[in-house]
Amino acid sequence: EPEVTQTPSHQVTQMGQEVILRCVPISNHLYFYWYRQILGQKVEFLVSFYNNEISEKSEIFDDQFSVERPDGSNFTLKIRSTKLEDSAMYFCASSTGGAAGETQYFGPGTRLLVL
Amino acid sequence: GDSVTQMEGPVTLSEEAFLTINCTYTATGYPSLFWYVQYPGEGLQLLLKATKADDKGSNKGFEATYRKETTSFHLEKGSVQVSDSAVYFCALRAGGGNKLTFGTGTQLKVEL
Repeated sequence: EPEVTQTPSHQVTQMGQEVILRCVPISNHLYFYWYRQILGQKVEFLVSFYNNEISEKSEIFDDQFSVERPDGSNFTLKIRSTKLEDSAMYFCASSTGGAAGETQYFGPGTRLLVL
Repeated sequence: GDSVTQMEGPVTLSEEAFLTINCTYTATGYPSLFWYVQYPGEGLQLLLKATKADDKGSNKGFEATYRKETTSFHLEKGSVQVSDSAVYFCALRAGGGNKLTFGTGTQLKVEL
């Protein structure tokens, strides 16, 4: 069964450094998402991406963050100048369509620790 | 804005007990409703969903009914197993938007 994959599974970085989290969505999906889950808190939406542009973003997704689909398979989240509070589990998701009833399929997550 | 409220956990049950995890929501329009499950060390997996009022989603013995009149989507299972131990998230996706809005999650622990 096709699945969303994410790399790395764990990342440790120093405060102020840049990190790139990578995702390979399911191959025939057209909509891509990033969410994060700070330890012990709820899963929060960051951004959605369709047709090579951001279709929706939350107030969390400020200029520190960017997303890119550099080729036909990868979808990346870049965090510039990381802060301690960026430590979280980051989930990538994808879906075939953008309708409300469409299922979003999640990857296993990347656990980011900023020291 | 849209929001989802779930019952506080953790919930501890004996195997074969009946499970209910309450979920209520606030949303504009007619959202689609989802239950996701997160097993230890893993990502989020869709458990079931319902896209319109009175729909019942079901999977692996779990079920939930979309109740528009009470804005609820409670998760139930008649007989839980130890393997059901996980964190369960209720979520909604409002029409016209891309994002899922999640509840805080309810941890379920099933003991022998």
